[in-house]
Amino acid sequence: KQEVTQIPAALSVPEGENLVLNCSFTDSAIYNLQWFRQDPGKGLTSLLLIQSSQREQTSGRLNASLDKSSGRSTLYIAASQPGDSATYLCAVTGNQFYFGTGTSLTVIP
Amino acid sequence: GAVVSQHPSRVICKSGTSVKIECRSLDFQATTMFWYRQFPKKSLMLMATSNEGSKATYEQGVEKDKFLINHASLTLSTLTVTSAHPEDSSFYICSARDGTSGQETQYFGPGTRLLVL
Repeated sequence: KQEVTQIPAALSVPEGENLVLNCSFTDSAIYNLQWFRQDPGKGLTSLLLIQSSQREQTSGRLNASLDKSSGRSTLYIAASQPGDSATYLCAVTGNQFYFGTGTSLTVIP
Repeated sequence: GAVVSQHPSRVICKSGTSVKIECRSLDFQATTMFWYRQFPKKSLMLMATSNEGSKATYEQGVEKDKFLINHASLTLSTLTVTSAHPEDSSFYICSARDGTSGQETQYFGPGTRLLVL
């Protein structure tokens, strides 16, 4: 059974810092991997989608990488801002969706 | 941890029929449930947010008369795709928020694959 783990569970950084969130999964047979942000009481907002054949995707200050062979993905956030404060989830798609437990990010002004 | 189930896990139907997907929170009260869909090779997109006992709030571009959402109890929400067409074929996922825990954790169902022929 696929297991998705995110480290760290919580992260607090001063504004302006670059940071990396980690996601690992146990079964490399995936269709794609997605990163989401979740604001309190709200639904998920999709950030980046990486197909299984791709290595990385970039959107603005966000860069996500995928290494299927090692079962890892990272989300890199450059020049963090207080508005980036949220919970970040990764999810892999196989026969069903498997979500990670999330990383709660706080960016301190 | 908390468990959210979806039924069915997979459904194939003919064009023009209606399909109902159930989302259940098995061991907690879900005051809020979210419905998402994902088209092939596309990101998961929020369709609507439903609060128990009230009408769902739909995201822009989602037809509320086509995607009927009912959240009549604290453990069950249903999504009915009415008069389904092949373009409705997608992966539908629900998530549920435990309103009694005081936390913002959402728990996700495993998804339902819909194929409309």
